[in-house]
Amino acid sequence: QSALTQPPSASGSPGQSVTISCTGTSSDVGGYNYVSWYQQHPGKAPKLMIYEVSKRPSGVPDRFSGSKSGNTASLTVSGLQAEDEADYYCSSYAGSNNRNYVFGTGTKVTVL
Amino acid sequence: EVQLVESGGGLVKPGGSLRLSCAASGFTFSSYSMNWVRQAPGKGLEWVSSISSSSSYIYYADSVKGRFTISRDNAKNSLYLQMNSLRAEDTAVYYCARVPPGSRDMDVWGKGTTVTVSS
Repeated sequence: QSALTQPPSASGSPGQSVTISCTGTSSDVGGYNYVSWYQQHPGKAPKLMIYEVSKRPSGVPDRFSGSKSGNTASLTVSGLQAEDEADYYCSSYAGSNNRNYVFGTGTKVTVL
Repeated sequence: EVQLVESGGGLVKPGGSLRLSCAASGFTFSSYSMNWVRQAPGKGLEWVSSISSSSSYIYYADSVKGRFTISRDNAKNSLYLQMNSLRAEDTAVYYCARVPPGSRDMDVWGKGTTVTVSS
């Protein structure tokens, strides 16, 4: 069960923007509008930041936005802040089978 | 407050068994599909298993199929993961996560419970 492909790292200065890609296949990212993004600080549980490709849960700053084109989804963090430094994982629903969900390889975002 | 609390983790020898629990509160547990997701030390997230709200649909990752069993008790607002024939590669933090009705995305996660498989 192959993971979705994310860049290992991304960085930006405070106030700048960073975009993270998440590449899958037509069987996951490209096949469903159920791509989500999670933020994980060290030693903490993942926190939902984006769901259904581009929707933000209540309480998540509008600096976080999501999009999708074909088999690739993206997360953009605008106006970077120190507290945005964390690991970010994408996830996609992959159908009603024994590959129900697939996660990305993870991206470490560093605020310079 | 919506909350998921995992328990049952610990140190177990290879070939041993462990049963994880996830206690839900603050929402109508019986309306939500639930998942187990794990994270090996220093590694990424890996989906393990999912169960629909009424237990009608159950799925497992290939890596655990035949060894792990997911179940739930809606009367007790609890989710379980019975883990048998444990291997070193099952060592991880195990999270439970809920999926709202009509969605497929996991919106609330517990803090996790640690499973260590070692002799």
